[in-house]
Amino acid sequence: GENVEQHPSTLSVQEGDSAVIKCTYSDSASNYFPWYKQELGKRPQLIIDIRSNVGEKKDQRIAVTLNKTAKHFSLHITETQPEDSAVYFCAASINNNDMRFGAGTRLTVKP
Amino acid sequence: GAGVSQTPSNKVTEKGKYVELRCDPISGHTALYWYRQSLGQGPEFLIYFQGTGAADDSGLPNDRFFAVRPEGSVSTLKIQRTERGDSAVYLCASSRRQGARGEQFFGPGTRLTVL
Repeated sequence: GENVEQHPSTLSVQEGDSAVIKCTYSDSASNYFPWYKQELGKRPQLIIDIRSNVGEKKDQRIAVTLNKTAKHFSLHITETQPEDSAVYFCAASINNNDMRFGAGTRLTVKP
Repeated sequence: GAGVSQTPSNKVTEKGKYVELRCDPISGHTALYWYRQSLGQGPEFLIYFQGTGAADDSGLPNDRFFAVRPEGSVSTLKIQRTERGDSAVYLCASSRRQGARGEQFFGPGTRLTVL
């Protein structure tokens, strides 16, 4: 089955800097890669996703890149703000079915 | 409109007991997913339904776990003979349709504690 690895487990940046979180997956059949943000005690919320037919997607300060050959994808957050502080999870699935999540990255943005 | 809801929000039970956790998906969402999240970990896939049928139950850890969705809407996750290792937050999610075009919306979760 699919195995997703996520790095780093914790990340601390200064406000205004960029943050990058990286994930690898094992199943070459996976075609859907969402990223979720989870604040303490809250439910995961989708922030961006990418499908295997594109290599990059951007939404304001957030971007995701996908390298299908290497089976890795990354989340990029620019101009970070304190409210970006949360745990971020990557995930991979075939057609949004049995989603497999990474272990999460705790991002802290220092004001 | 209303999001995904889960009841109860917290459940404390004793080892060996039976528990049921309920999920009400967003109205009209045909796909429903159950996950388990332990402290400091990502959600772990358990099972997903397309309509009334379990399309993939490969994530259920053992035969103590069972889930139903008899009318294609509300789902119940059932855990028999609970063990301390079952303690976790159980998350439910739903999406409008199966396939890569359907965002999964999560519920608030049920925190299960097995004493």
